[in-house]
Amino acid sequence: GNSVTQMEGPVTLSEEAFLTINCTYTATGYPSLFWYVQYPGEGLQLLLKATKADDKGSNKGFEATYRKETTSFHLEKGSVQVSDSAVYFCALNAGKSTFGDGTTLTVKP
Amino acid sequence: EAGVAQSPRYKIIEKRQSVAFWCNPISGHATLYWYQQILGQGPKLLIQFQNNGVVDDSQLPKDRFSAERLKGVDSTLKIQPAKLEDSAVYLCASSFRRESEKLFFGSGTQLSVL
Repeated sequence: GNSVTQMEGPVTLSEEAFLTINCTYTATGYPSLFWYVQYPGEGLQLLLKATKADDKGSNKGFEATYRKETTSFHLEKGSVQVSDSAVYFCALNAGKSTFGDGTTLTVKP
Repeated sequence: EAGVAQSPRYKIIEKRQSVAFWCNPISGHATLYWYQQILGQGPKLLIQFQNNGVVDDSQLPKDRFSAERLKGVDSTLKIQPAKLEDSAVYLCASSFRRESEKLFFGSGTQLSVL
């Protein structure tokens, strides 16, 4: 079956540090890939997506590139802010959505 | 546009009791999902509806969980009887169509089974 493996957390960074959260997947066919974010006290919301190989999704300074050869979709941000503190979920959609277990990011001033 | 509505927001019950959760998806969204999110884990799909038909319920514990989506709009998820391990957040999500990439989530119902 399909699966998503995320880098284990929690991750704690200082403001303006570089962020990478690793995500790899196993799927049949050609899934779409997503990053969802859950801010404290809020519901899950889409952060960015990529629908085919070599596509780059981007939003709010975050980026992730669909790498078919390494079955990866790592999330990056060049300079994190305190407001980026949240739980980040990698997910794939191949007819139904499969989620990773989430990575908690805490950014300290 | 209005988002996905869920109620109640919180529910505390004792084991062996029954509980029901309600979800109203975004207007026009054909696909509705129920997920279970246990603390520290990602959402796990319980059941997926396309209009009022079930597309996938392979991970739904059918001996105790049931769900319906009458008229292809709002949906109810029921647990009867509840077990301690059912303590989790139950998330409802919807999308415009089955292969639509983007899911819109409700705020969830946090269930505690004592």
